[in-house]
Amino acid sequence: DAKTTQPNSMESNEEEPVHLPCNHSTISGTDYIHWYRQLPSQGPEYVIHGLTSNVNNRMASLAIAEDRKSSTLILHRATLRDAAVYYCLRSYRDDKIIFGKGTRLHILP
Amino acid sequence: KAGVTQTPRYLIKTRGQQVTLSCSPISGHRSVSWYQQTPGQGLQFLFEYFSETQRNKGNFPGRFSGRQFSNSRSEMNVSTLELGDSALYLCASSLGTTATNEKLFFGSGTQLSVL
Repeated sequence: DAKTTQPNSMESNEEEPVHLPCNHSTISGTDYIHWYRQLPSQGPEYVIHGLTSNVNNRMASLAIAEDRKSSTLILHRATLRDAAVYYCLRSYRDDKIIFGKGTRLHILP
Repeated sequence: KAGVTQTPRYLIKTRGQQVTLSCSPISGHRSVSWYQQTPGQGLQFLFEYFSETQRNKGNFPGRFSGRQFSNSRSEMNVSTLELGDSALYLCASSLGTTATNEKLFFGSGTQLSVL
């Protein structure tokens, strides 16, 4: 199955780190892991992607398990503007992009 | 650089009609992909175009079609509209095809309501 598994929703306090998990147990060796997020009334926006080693950019960090069967998106200091649905995708399987249900992240002030 | 532009933003149609949605990608991007988003099914891949050729298609009936022009702008068409076609239709553009793991840049979508 090309889909990934994520919790339906999570909550976090403002200005605290957030760890969003994703399981992709059937991932192959050449599949990338991508994260997108969708803010209310907007299209999804790219967050980060990686293959094996951990990745960092200005928005977030991506920690990939050694066996690559899971990964974690880390928002280092959540703000209210980070409230969104976060989607974890495997590499675009068969060139078809498959979004799961995503995790709805609530940020508490 | 201008982002991905989708027009119109909102559309209301009745059953049986057809509709055409437009997507202008980011300048220089050659790939455009389309998605349907509904509360029940989430985001579902419709099709991808690259250099005016359809590269792949999701599991949607033939009533859903698309095309891409030489300037990379893309249109999707839905014929014989059904109530279940009510959804947010999103397009995304990227430099290369999805096979190259390029970043996707999404537009804000067209909200289609079928009455």
